[in-house]
Amino acid sequence: NAGVTQTPKFQVLKTGQSMTLQCAQDMNHNSMYWYRQDPGMGLRLIYYSASEGTTDKGEVPNGYNVSRLNKREFSLRLESAAPSQTSVYFCASSTDTQYFGPGTRLTVL
Amino acid sequence: QKEVEQNSGPLSVPEGAIASLNCTYSDRGSQSFFWYRQYSGKSPELIMSIYSNGDKEDGRFTAQLNKASQYVSLLIRDSQPSDSATYLCAVSHSGNTPLVFGKGTRLSVIA
Repeated sequence: NAGVTQTPKFQVLKTGQSMTLQCAQDMNHNSMYWYRQDPGMGLRLIYYSASEGTTDKGEVPNGYNVSRLNKREFSLRLESAAPSQTSVYFCASSTDTQYFGPGTRLTVL
Repeated sequence: QKEVEQNSGPLSVPEGAIASLNCTYSDRGSQSFFWYRQYSGKSPELIMSIYSNGDKEDGRFTAQLNKASQYVSLLIRDSQPSDSATYLCAVSHSGNTPLVFGKGTRLSVIA
């Protein structure tokens, strides 16, 4: 059981570039989440998916899109990266409790 | 706006002492309460969950919930230097809905 996996672990982008953060879970969880964590701001919800085929906006969705590809996979896309999107991104999945992936550290120059 | 408030710390305690971490929340409809531990550069790791008023113990950790006061706490007995981390309080309507996190309390256990 790998739990929740995320790729890549680190990424540096230039302003305006696009990229997709990948997340997969092997725990057969229905719900999956994307958070960002910034110093002094705590964890903030970007998007979540309560089940395959559904997605909902969280607290800070602007500049992001998501795809719930199947029950296992939930991706986060930055179409045109901005320096304000420099952050650590965590994916999580849940039934009763949420389990987090190892995170992606993204820097936008 | 649903809010979860924690003292940012740092909270410093000597090795072997009891560390007490506190959290208040604004949404009276909250039903599920969690404590996560996060080491620097790592992802949050679940320590405790609690759903009903009272105390719940797991090893050196005790979670306390008071829904009337909208207050959750975590006690760590016999604190060890390895307990030094940031502790995140998280709250949700049910176990399968998005969590609202506090900003975390940084705990430092001094040997």
